[in-house]
Amino acid sequence: DAGITQSPRHKVTETGTPVTLRCHQTENHRYMYWYRQDPGHGLRLIHYSYGVKDTDKGEVSDGYSVSRSKTEDFLLTLESATSSQTSVYFCAIIRGEGMNTEAFFGQGTRLTVV
Amino acid sequence: GENVEQHPSTLSVQEGDSAVIKCTYSDSASNYFPWYKQELGKRPQLIIDIRSNVGEKKDQRIAVTLNKTAKHFSLHITETQPEDSAVYFCAAGWPSGGYNKLIFGAGTRLAVHP
Repeated sequence: DAGITQSPRHKVTETGTPVTLRCHQTENHRYMYWYRQDPGHGLRLIHYSYGVKDTDKGEVSDGYSVSRSKTEDFLLTLESATSSQTSVYFCAIIRGEGMNTEAFFGQGTRLTVV
Repeated sequence: GENVEQHPSTLSVQEGDSAVIKCTYSDSASNYFPWYKQELGKRPQLIIDIRSNVGEKKDQRIAVTLNKTAKHFSLHITETQPEDSAVYFCAAGWPSGGYNKLIFGAGTRLAVHP
């Protein structure tokens, strides 16, 4: 689906450990996003990227870092995981041009921090 | 930055009735307003969107209206069916002259009862 893959799909990790989630796209899209989804909060933007090595913070960026060293990969890192970072993480890309742009989501990564 | 408020958080209707979900946004520069549907355990999927140069858009049983002066937009579902049961998210983004950033509301859980 639109060539976007998230890995891993599920992960359980311990508090204090670093965790990296990967978003991979195969269609050369410029924009990529990381969101977290929690009950009652909807989808909250963590970080986004508008090109290789071009990233910016979203609404809830504390405790997260990102990197985009090549167009196809956008990595989200939790430097030291905390229980409050237990969530479902969605990557999204923007496909289309001009008046026909659309945000398309990956299948999500369920992260549990114990 | 942009802030999107969505109401109600839950909505219960009888099959065949209409459902209306409302959103307000804060950044007058936003010019793109999509609606996403998310079924349990799946990714959010775009169902309809509207841009600031249009006041209303319809696609079969769903329609979206936009009032840029008041900074609010609404999703209307007519003749609801059980398969319409899901969580619906509104979003606002694509500010003119800025980097594409999409901010979501907290979601509305719609239940359609046969």
